[in-house]
Amino acid sequence: DIQMTQSPSSVSASVGDRVTITCRASQGIRSWLAWYQQKPGKAPKLLIYAASSLQPGVPSRFSGSGSGTDFTLTISSLQPEDSATYFCQQGNTFPGIFGPGTRVHIK
Amino acid sequence: QVQLQESGPGLVKPSETLSLTCTVSGGSIRSYYWSWLRQPPGKELESIGYFFYSGGSKYNPSLKSRVTISADTSKNRFSLNLSSVTAADTAVYYCARAEGLGYDSSGHPREFDYWGQGTLVTVSS
Repeated sequence: DIQMTQSPSSVSASVGDRVTITCRASQGIRSWLAWYQQKPGKAPKLLIYAASSLQPGVPSRFSGSGSGTDFTLTISSLQPEDSATYFCQQGNTFPGIFGPGTRVHIK
Repeated sequence: QVQLQESGPGLVKPSETLSLTCTVSGGSIRSYYWSWLRQPPGKELESIGYFFYSGGSKYNPSLKSRVTISADTSKNRFSLNLSSVTAADTAVYYCARAEGLGYDSSGHPREFDYWGQGTLVTVSS
């Protein structure tokens, strides 16, 4: 089975900072990687699909890159409403395994 | 706008069957992949399985022996049955729509673009 890891597990940053989260797959998944944002008590929200495609309606400060096994999610200028947990998910094979999540805190 | 709404009991006894329904509005379940996922408290999201109109249902191998996903296209809803539940099945259960990596017999969900609000199911006597 494919395993997904994320780093860091949590990050604390100030408003306006650039934040980068890494996701690694245990085997190649081409570009079939999605990123989600989840706030407490809410369903996950799709941010990025196919590694780098921005879901309509998602602010352009979110971007994704990578292919194969290594991927990144970048928030170019952190905003207060970005405080949440971020998950990656591989879509190359079924079932789509999710990463353990990265908690983003605002200082 | 596609909307999904889970419904069903919030409390199930050990060894019994968990049954949930997801009602879809704003889109037809004859297109896309329609999935069930769950998230135990403080743990990772897990894909349980999916319904695909042209291909039937498929399940996560880790749950396959206990899961059934069915659909009622006339009511535009799909359902989850999980049998022989234990405390380990306590989780927030979500239904979601997925774009597909292929829309034929070899296809499967790719990413989940619309989600229900989620429903907490607790397994306890």
